[in-house]
Amino acid sequence: IAGITQAPTSQILAAGRRMTLRCTQDMRHNAMYWYRQDLGLGLRLIHYSNTAGTTGKGEVPDGYSVSRANTDDFPLTLASAVPSQTSVYFCASSDFAGGLNEQFFGPGTRLTVL
Amino acid sequence: AQSVTQLDSQVPVFEEAPVELRCNYSSSVSVYLFWYVQYPNQGLQLLLKYLSGSTLVESINGFEAEFNKSQTSFHLRKPSVHISDTAEYFCAVTSNSGYSTLTFGKGTMLLVSP
Repeated sequence: IAGITQAPTSQILAAGRRMTLRCTQDMRHNAMYWYRQDLGLGLRLIHYSNTAGTTGKGEVPDGYSVSRANTDDFPLTLASAVPSQTSVYFCASSDFAGGLNEQFFGPGTRLTVL
Repeated sequence: AQSVTQLDSQVPVFEEAPVELRCNYSSSVSVYLFWYVQYPNQGLQLLLKYLSGSTLVESINGFEAEFNKSQTSFHLRKPSVHISDTAEYFCAVTSNSGYSTLTFGKGTMLLVSP
């Protein structure tokens, strides 16, 4: 039982480089989410997808893009990384869209932008 | 829009002592409330939730939280903590309308020492 997998586990990236964080779930959940976690700021929603083929912007979407071509995968792309994007990134999923549904989280990707 | 305030960034306690982690929320509509827990180097896991009905909700590992609408609070309590409860705890809120997303507090680090 895998649940949600994220790759890579960690990455050091030069500023200006393009980077895609991968997220895959095997629970056939409709909704998926990307958060970033920063010390003292908690978790902030970057982008979400209520169902395959749709995406929406969260609280801090600038500098990030997502796609949802199928149910299982929800990659997050940094087109041109900047040091302020240094963070721990968590992917999550839930049965259905709507905050009342329990979200299941992946193990996270620790990204450092130099 | 809704927001969550966790008043304490860190709470140190001794093993077997009681603990209360405070959470206050702000919203113009009815809400659902959650506590998530993050153990070191892991993703978040749902601890307990209030959707409707009894205002006192419990988790399987001895935590409980009480929804207090008049005080807009959802404090988390445990009468006797264990070393293994050391973790970061996040309060989260969502509105009960449509496909609303979760808003997390900044987290409270519970440090249990022998």
